Amino acid sequence: GQQVMQIPQYQHVQEGEDFTTYCNSSTTLSNIQWYKQRPGGHPVFLIQLVKSGEVKKQKRLTFQFGEAKKNSSLHITATQTTDVGTYFCGLAAGNKLTFGGGTRVLVKP
Amino acid sequence: DGGITQSPKYLFRKEGQNVTLSCEQNLNHDAMYWYRQDPGQGLRLIYYSQIVNDFQKGDIAEGYSVSREKKESFPLTVTSAQKNPTAFYLCASSIRRSGTSGSNEQFFGPGTRLTVL
Repeated sequence: GQQVMQIPQYQHVQEGEDFTTYCNSSTTLSNIQWYKQRPGGHPVFLIQLVKSGEVKKQKRLTFQFGEAKKNSSLHITATQTTDVGTYFCGLAAGNKLTFGGGTRVLVKP
Repeated sequence: DGGITQSPKYLFRKEGQNVTLSCEQNLNHDAMYWYRQDPGQGLRLIYYSQIVNDFQKGDIAEGYSVSREKKESFPLTVTSAQKNPTAFYLCASSIRRSGTSGSNEQFFGPGTRLTVL
């Protein structure tokens, strides 16, 4: 089956700083999705990337799909305390997703 | 309000007992999914269903069973054969995409935290 690795597993960020989390696959992907799960909550869909090299922005979040469609990144600028949570990538295969282990983000005020 | 409901939020059971977790959606979605999440871990797929009266095993189906008699409902039974059932269980649904390219976004319920004593 598909292998997906997310790095780093944990990210401690000073409020106001930037950080990036990465999602790497062993196979070429048809698309990739990103979700955010707040502490104690459930995953919420953020975005889907489909095209090679695609870049999408949501306010302070920038999502990128690699040219070879084997990896993706999420970059957050000027981190705020509201960014706390775990960010998961999901690799699409047919109608099911294989999720990475997530990057748990902690923000230091 | 449209959405996915899971009940109960917290569930306690004695070892050796079967327990059924409820998942209902009124989003008119064809596809439904069950995931297991352990502390500090990602989501692992247990079972999924793309249409009524049909379902497929996910990556960790052993010790679990499901049914899909109605479009709105996808209950999960955790059987006594599941060796380590204590976990956070999440149900999700999505529009079923035809063809082979990609997958649609999934909408998650609030989850059920199961503790087996």
